[in-house]
Amino acid sequence: EPEVTQTPSHQVTQMGQEVILRCVPISNHLYFYWYRQILGQKVEFLVSFYNNEISEKSEIFDDQFSVERPDGSNFTLKIRSTKLEDSAMYFCASRGRGYVSPLHFGNGTRLTVT
Amino acid sequence: AQKVTQAQTEISVVEKEDVTLDCVYETRDTTYYLFWYKQPPSGELVFLIRRNSFDEQNEISGRYSWNFQKSTSSFNFTITASQVVDSAVYFCALSLTGANNLFFGTGTRLTVIP
Repeated sequence: EPEVTQTPSHQVTQMGQEVILRCVPISNHLYFYWYRQILGQKVEFLVSFYNNEISEKSEIFDDQFSVERPDGSNFTLKIRSTKLEDSAMYFCASRGRGYVSPLHFGNGTRLTVT
Repeated sequence: AQKVTQAQTEISVVEKEDVTLDCVYETRDTTYYLFWYKQPPSGELVFLIRRNSFDEQNEISGRYSWNFQKSTSSFNFTITASQVVDSAVYFCALSLTGANNLFFGTGTRLTVIP
């Protein structure tokens, strides 16, 4: 069964550094998402991306965050200058045509900012 | 505003017992979708079920069943004859028509004791 893959599984970075989290969505999917989960808390929406542009973003997704689909397969989340509070599990998700198709999540990237 | 409440933070049951995970949602929209996701210890989010607001039929899939009641704004999840492999955090989530993002509850950690 096709799946969403995320790399790396764990990233450690120093405060103030830039970090890029990578995702390969399911190949025929058109809608892409980033969510995050601070340890022990609920999963929160960050951003959705469709047709090469952001379609929706949450309050968490401020100017420090950006997303890109640099080629036909990858979908990246960049945090320009990481803060301690950015430490979380970041999930990439994708879905196919039709807004009722379910989101398929990747295994997540655990980001630790020290 | 949308909200999903999972009042049970943690539940422990002995193997083979039945267990019900509660989910209460709030939305003013008349069309919406409800989901359950499973997050095993490995961390990924696994899609279990999606229901739309116009379909109140209960659903059964193997040992899993879901009870959707609009009158009480609830979408409860029952696992029959629980197994150790059911141990995970279970998230209930809500999505609005045309919206991209899922609103997650805070999750219920289920531990099945052998």
